[in-house]
Amino acid sequence: NAGVMQNPRHLVRRRGQEARLRCSPMKGHSHVYWYRQLPEEGLKFMVYLQKENIIDESGMPKERFSAEFPKEGPSILRIQQVVRGDSAAYFCASSTSGTGINYGYTFGSGTRLTVV
Amino acid sequence: AQSVTQLDSQVPVFEEAPVELRCNYSSSVSVYLFWYVQYPNQGLQLLLKYLSGSTLVESINGFEAEFNKSQTSFHLRKPSVHISDTAEYFCAVGTGGSQGNLIFGKGTKLSVKP
Repeated sequence: NAGVMQNPRHLVRRRGQEARLRCSPMKGHSHVYWYRQLPEEGLKFMVYLQKENIIDESGMPKERFSAEFPKEGPSILRIQQVVRGDSAAYFCASSTSGTGINYGYTFGSGTRLTVV
Repeated sequence: AQSVTQLDSQVPVFEEAPVELRCNYSSSVSVYLFWYVQYPNQGLQLLLKYLSGSTLVESINGFEAEFNKSQTSFHLRKPSVHISDTAEYFCAVGTGGSQGNLIFGKGTKLSVKP
């Protein structure tokens, strides 16, 4: 039973390019959460999605960032026109329900984005 | 608003020594509390959690944490650490419900030396 799969593991983008980060939740999980970890910081919540719905995007920057979780396929976190400050590790977690917080998420290994 | 404070950014200890990693939280409502461990270049793994009931919770690899409501703390302890415990440890708090997001502390880097 594969865990939460994120790809790519490492991503290098030049300033102004687009970054696409993918997250395949655990089998049977329909709730996905994205977090960002800046250097020397803890994880910060970004967005919570169910299939085809954004439930809570209170942690998403207002511009350049978007997320989706289509009916089929992985969840995608998209960052347009990346800047150096976007360099961070981006983690995805999944759960079977919105109360996955009660039991602790299952996290993926993350995508480490470097903007040069 | 909720917040989590991990008082020590780095904790160096010798192998087989005891260790305590401190975590304090603030919240106006009932909380769930978690400790996660992150090994270098890996994702976070759930170490242990407090949801309700007994205030002392244990993990399978010898760590334990005690929920202290009056002191709003959830410190992590291990009586005898191993080299393999070297990692970064994150304390997190959540309040359940349908929002689902956790608030994380900044992490404590535990370095176990021989």
